[in-house]
Amino acid sequence: KQEVTQIPAALSVPEGENLVLNCSFTDSAIYNLQWFRQDPGKGLTSLLLIQSSQREQTSGRLNASLDKSSGRSTLYIAASQPGDSATYLCAGKTSGSRLTFGEGTQLTVNP
Amino acid sequence: DAGVTQSPTHLIKTRGQHVTLRCSPISGHKSVSWYQQVLGQGPQFIFQYYEKEERGRGNFPDRFSARQFPNYSSELNVNALLLGDSALYLCASSLLGGDTYEQYFGPGTRLTVT
Repeated sequence: KQEVTQIPAALSVPEGENLVLNCSFTDSAIYNLQWFRQDPGKGLTSLLLIQSSQREQTSGRLNASLDKSSGRSTLYIAASQPGDSATYLCAGKTSGSRLTFGEGTQLTVNP
Repeated sequence: DAGVTQSPTHLIKTRGQHVTLRCSPISGHKSVSWYQQVLGQGPQFIFQYYEKEERGRGNFPDRFSARQFPNYSSELNVNALLLGDSALYLCASSLLGGDTYEQYFGPGTRLTVT
C-alpha cells in the first residue's frame, strides 16, 4: 500500500527566500507524481506533473524532481512571494489510477 | 475552456440523510475520480469511473456509491450520513483512464453534516 509523507508540515519564510518542500513515498512503482497547490477552502491546482521516466519538471519559479529509487520528490520554489502562501500537496499515482496524497505542507511567505 | 465543475458549492445535511454531489469533467475527458478531504488532511481516493464503468474503489463503506453518465458527468451519492462524512468532496477528470494521465481537480463541494 502506497504511503506518502510530506515534511515539514508547516513552513514560514520571509519574502524572497528560496525554499524546498519534501515528499517521500513507500512504493517506487509509481506512474507519475503530481504537486498541487491548495488555497484555504478551495480545490486543488496542479503545479507540476513528473512522469516516472522523468527526473524533473520546471514551470516558472517552480522546479520539481523525482527520484524513484530513493522514494523522494522535492518541490523547489525560487524567490518566494506572499502570493505563494498556500498548502502544497504531493500525490503519487500507482496502479488503479488512484492518487495517494500526503498531508501537505502549509507555506506562509511573510512580506 | 471550462475546467472541472462541481455542484453544489456548499451543502448542509442532517445525520441519516442522503446527499448527491455532481461533477462535470473537462470537455473531452472520459475519466472521473472522486476524493474526500477531511479538514487538515490530504484527499482520500473514493472512486474512479471510466467510460461509465467503475475502475477503482477506495476504502469507503457501501454507503458511498457513484455513477457516470453517457456525457461523462458523474454523481457521488452518500446514504445514511454520519458526522464524520463532513468534508470537502473533490472531483477530478482525466483524458483517459490510464495510469499516466494527469488529473485536473474541480473546486469541490463542502459538505457539513450536523
